[in-house]
Amino acid sequence: DAKTTQPNSMESNEEEPVHLPCNHSTISGTDYIHWYRQLPSQGPEYVIHGLTSNVNNRMASLAIAEDRKSSTLILHRATLRDAAVYYCIPISGGSNYKLTFGKGTLLTVNP
Amino acid sequence: GAVVSQHPSRVICKSGTSVKIECRSLDFQATTMFWYRQFPKQSLMLMATSNEGSKATYEQGVEKDKFLINHASLTLSTLTVTSAHPEDSSFYICSAIGQLIPLNTEAFFGQGTRLTVV
Repeated sequence: DAKTTQPNSMESNEEEPVHLPCNHSTISGTDYIHWYRQLPSQGPEYVIHGLTSNVNNRMASLAIAEDRKSSTLILHRATLRDAAVYYCIPISGGSNYKLTFGKGTLLTVNP
Repeated sequence: GAVVSQHPSRVICKSGTSVKIECRSLDFQATTMFWYRQFPKQSLMLMATSNEGSKATYEQGVEKDKFLINHASLTLSTLTVTSAHPEDSSFYICSAIGQLIPLNTEAFFGQGTRLTVV
């Protein structure tokens, strides 16, 4: 499994953009990059995923570096409901498919 | 979106008893389900992966005789914590995916089960 490095914590103000970085320098060429988040006392929820190109959905944008060794999750306007632990997960396919969580980044959003 | 329902959300049991946690995919067929445990202020730890109709694959260090996983149908997986002890108290979470080639799809998670063994 590809190793990931994320900041332990980040802080943002409400209504401001947030850029959450993830380093995954050992990623293989076929690994997808998934992002999940976990609100307190809940199961994780899917945020976004991508392979090579930048991706946008209603929750966030995902910017993937050209060498794919890092990616950045972008929340365009943080809200208090976005306060959560964010996990970046490279996923391999085939018989090795696993959804394994690292330590993630705890995002605090200030009102 | 797809929903995964986990039951019960909270359970308290006496030491030495067994507890069963159910995980259901409500509107899709889950080809693969994952079980996790999470201790306070820690990340999710993958316990096992189960595919419908076959034996679960346990992660290193997870006792398969203590944490019994059954994935008998494409919509239901169960985790039974046998002979529970206080150190088994944790937040247990299931996850399900609904495609045979799951790289390009999202996983869906249950809301978790808070197990307290007294």
